[in-house]
Amino acid sequence: EPEVTQTPSHQVTQMGQEVILRCVPISNHLYFYWYRQILGQKVEFLVSFYNNEISEKSEIFDDQFSVERPDGSNFTLKIRSTKLEDSAMYFCASSGPGYEQYFGPGTRLTVT
Amino acid sequence: GQQLNQSPQSMFIQEGEDVSMNCTSSSIFNTWLWYKQEPGEGPVLLIALYKAGELTSNGRLTAQFGITRKDSFLNISASIPSDVGIYFCAGPLSGTYKYIFGTGTRLKVLA
Repeated sequence: EPEVTQTPSHQVTQMGQEVILRCVPISNHLYFYWYRQILGQKVEFLVSFYNNEISEKSEIFDDQFSVERPDGSNFTLKIRSTKLEDSAMYFCASSGPGYEQYFGPGTRLTVT
Repeated sequence: GQQLNQSPQSMFIQEGEDVSMNCTSSSIFNTWLWYKQEPGEGPVLLIALYKAGELTSNGRLTAQFGITRKDSFLNISASIPSDVGIYFCAGPLSGTYKYIFGTGTRLKVLA
């Protein structure tokens, strides 16, 4: 069964450093997403991406964040200068053409 | 901003009992999704609903799309220990691919 994969499973970085989280969405899906979940809290939408551009983003997704689909399979989230409050689980998801979204296992980002 | 409120916030039930939880919104949704999340893992899609009044089952799980389009319900029959987890409702804001997740219902099953 096709699934969304994410690497790494855990990333530790120092405050101020850049980090790139990687995802391989389900191959025939058209829409790609990043979400954040701070420990014990709900899942928060960051951004949706379609046809090689951002289609929607939340107020969390500020200039420190960027997304890219560098090739036909990968989808990345870059955080330019990490802050302590960026520590969270980051989930990639994909869907399409319908609204059923499938999530990856997540990357735990720890900023020290 | 837009919020989906889930109740109850948490439930402790005995194995074999049925479970009901709901999700409410102040505005209309055209699609409702129900997910289960276990510790340290990503949300897993359980059921998708697309039409007001729709009732859809997936094994012991049944979900309903409320007729007002502002709520949805999830029932689990004959609960088992592996039903433990957090259940989230979610849906895209109308006309967008921006999804909102509910506050979650944490389920614990006592054997």
